[in-house]
Amino acid sequence: NAGVMQNPRHLVRRRGQEARLRCSPMKGHSHVYWYRQLPEEGLKFMVYLQKENIIDESGMPKERFSAEFPKEGPSILRIQQVVRGDSAAYFCASSPLRADMNTEAFFGQGTRLTVV
Amino acid sequence: QKEVEQDPGPLSVPEGAIVSLNCTYSNSAFQYFMWYRQYSRKGPELLMYTYSSGNKEDGRFTAQVDKSSKYISLFIRDSQPSDSATYLCAITGRRALTFGSGTRLQVQP
Repeated sequence: NAGVMQNPRHLVRRRGQEARLRCSPMKGHSHVYWYRQLPEEGLKFMVYLQKENIIDESGMPKERFSAEFPKEGPSILRIQQVVRGDSAAYFCASSPLRADMNTEAFFGQGTRLTVV
Repeated sequence: QKEVEQDPGPLSVPEGAIVSLNCTYSNSAFQYFMWYRQYSRKGPELLMYTYSSGNKEDGRFTAQVDKSSKYISLFIRDSQPSDSATYLCAITGRRALTFGSGTRLQVQP
């Protein structure tokens, strides 16, 4: 049973380009969460999705960031017109349970985004 | 005030020592309390979680929750160099998990 798969593991983008981060949840998991981790900091919640639905995006920056979890295929976190401050590790977690019962969220290995 | 406060360390101990890691939280509505371990440049992995006040033990690890004082702890007995990592407390809430900033632990051989 494969774990949560994130790709790419490392992504380098120039300022102004777009970054697309992918997350395939564990088999049987229908809840996906995206977190951002800045150097020497904990993980900050960004968005919570179920298939074809955004449940909670209260942690997402208002501009340039979007997320989707289509019926088929991985969840995508998209960052448009990247800036240096977007450089961080982005982690995806999946769970079979909803957020307020989220005792078993499994994390992927993360995508490390570097904006140059 | 942050919802979850965690001493960032770093914490350096000799092999075999007992390690105590702590977090405080502000929202009494939180239900589940977790501890994650994160090795450098890896994703967090769940160590254990608790629901009620009291202790929960799993091998060398003991998680403790005191809801009256909004205080959670993780104890590591007989610490090993392989325990060297960042330990993150996390608490469930409406917006998925709320994490502390992590405590970096170094166990010296």
